[in-house]
Amino acid sequence: SSELTQDPAVSVALGQTVRITCQGDTLRSSYASWYQQKPGQAPVLVIYGRNSRPSGIPDRFSGSDSGNTASLTITGAQAEDEADYFCNSRDMSGNLPAVFGTGTKVTVL
Amino acid sequence: VQLLQSGPGLVKPSQTLSLTCSISGDSVSSNAAAWNWIRQSPARGLEWLGRTYYRSQWYSDSAVSVKSRVTVNPGTSKNQFSLHLTSVTPEDTAVYYCARRLWDVDGFDIWGQGTMVTVSS
Repeated sequence: SSELTQDPAVSVALGQTVRITCQGDTLRSSYASWYQQKPGQAPVLVIYGRNSRPSGIPDRFSGSDSGNTASLTITGAQAEDEADYFCNSRDMSGNLPAVFGTGTKVTVL
Repeated sequence: VQLLQSGPGLVKPSQTLSLTCSISGDSVSSNAAAWNWIRQSPARGLEWLGRTYYRSQWYSDSAVSVKSRVTVNPGTSKNQFSLHLTSVTPEDTAVYYCARRLWDVDGFDIWGQGTMVTVSS
């Protein structure tokens, strides 16, 4: 199928590490990209490709993948990392960037 | 690079939703990028709608879910692109975003500010 499944919510203590996962068949053939979204704002790209960060994204954000699962890890979570996180990948044809994950709400305690 | 969206926030059922995304700092006819429309609603989450891009000629693609109703076009005389969604219903109520996707990034790296569109009579 062309669905990407994420856990609805996770929490992490300030300074600790949290991993967010994204599962779907399309991830067997396409990398995921990851987006951070804060209330009332547009999403922001934080990870793309195998494990690349756009300019300005802190290096505490990293990505990995295995089989049908992509992961976003925040190492040393900060208060400003509290947000919704979404994954995205191409569809089963491999041509269209058409599939978004269901989103994970990260709470920093 | 910045994307600035414009268009109405209220559309009547059965009418056409039209939004424009104006590009600064890049070109809609760049060979390095595709120009996309994405929407977000509580019921449907983030949903990719379609894109346009230039590779020696203009191409457009759209999502299967809205394929018969959506058109994404480059601007004819301005550095912009547009979204047209026909026969709207209340289910099309959402925040609509335009976004750039570079071919060698394979992620949506620049987003517009978002436009809340409500479909209601």
